[in-house]
Amino acid sequence: QSVLTQPPSASGTPGQRVTISCSGSSSNIGSNYVYWYQQLPGTAPKLLIYRNNQRPSGVPDRFSGSKSGTSASLAISGLRSEDEADYYCAAWDDSLSGHAVFGGGTQLTVL
Amino acid sequence: QVQLVQSGAEVKKPGASVKVSCKASGYTFTSYDINWVRQATGQGLEWMGWMNPNSGNTGYAQKFQGRVTMTRNTSISTAYMELSSLRSEDTAVYYCARRRITMVRGVIDRLFDPWGQGTLVTVSS
Repeated sequence: QSVLTQPPSASGTPGQRVTISCSGSSSNIGSNYVYWYQQLPGTAPKLLIYRNNQRPSGVPDRFSGSKSGTSASLAISGLRSEDEADYYCAAWDDSLSGHAVFGGGTQLTVL
Repeated sequence: QVQLVQSGAEVKKPGASVKVSCKASGYTFTSYDINWVRQATGQGLEWMGWMNPNSGNTGYAQKFQGRVTMTRNTSISTAYMELSSLRSEDTAVYYCARRRITMVRGVIDRLFDPWGQGTLVTVSS
């Protein structure tokens, strides 16, 4: 059972906008930054969003992150086939001696 | 470019230990923590702990306390993760990741970037 809660799956058609939610608590999302990692099939995770809504260089602006209270979300606009991947939210948890916690992951399917 | 390259796949028997390596290049190895995260087949990501390559200090997730040891060899810019008393449930891909820490607006920013390619550890009798 993951500390952060994500829907197990999401889907959309090319060009559509999809959002993935991530729910936590006051000790993790509520008091720390949220990160999103993208894991393409058969590869290692890659940093997608950091500090709630910042994109590393090279990540398209179709990807955006937001946070409100103890929840966060990842939005992908102009959906493309190459966006089909697993997406994980993450945060650090103050109640666990500053340990990292992840969501269970959301498998995004581009129909 | 910044890169982490891990050792190859391992097959171990229950009760044995495994030691996975993670060689860093493209940056000063002692300037960033190395964290370890594992992923069982078809499952999500699970954080195991961190190691500071400069001091050797470590911090482990409670679940792995007593079974995991994270070390380093600074002369070859390599971090290690050793897991003992292996059981079938430890079968997973193990990833190392560089952790970058900064303070932004009074909040600690701790991100993982980049990640190693992963090492599959299979525990089977």
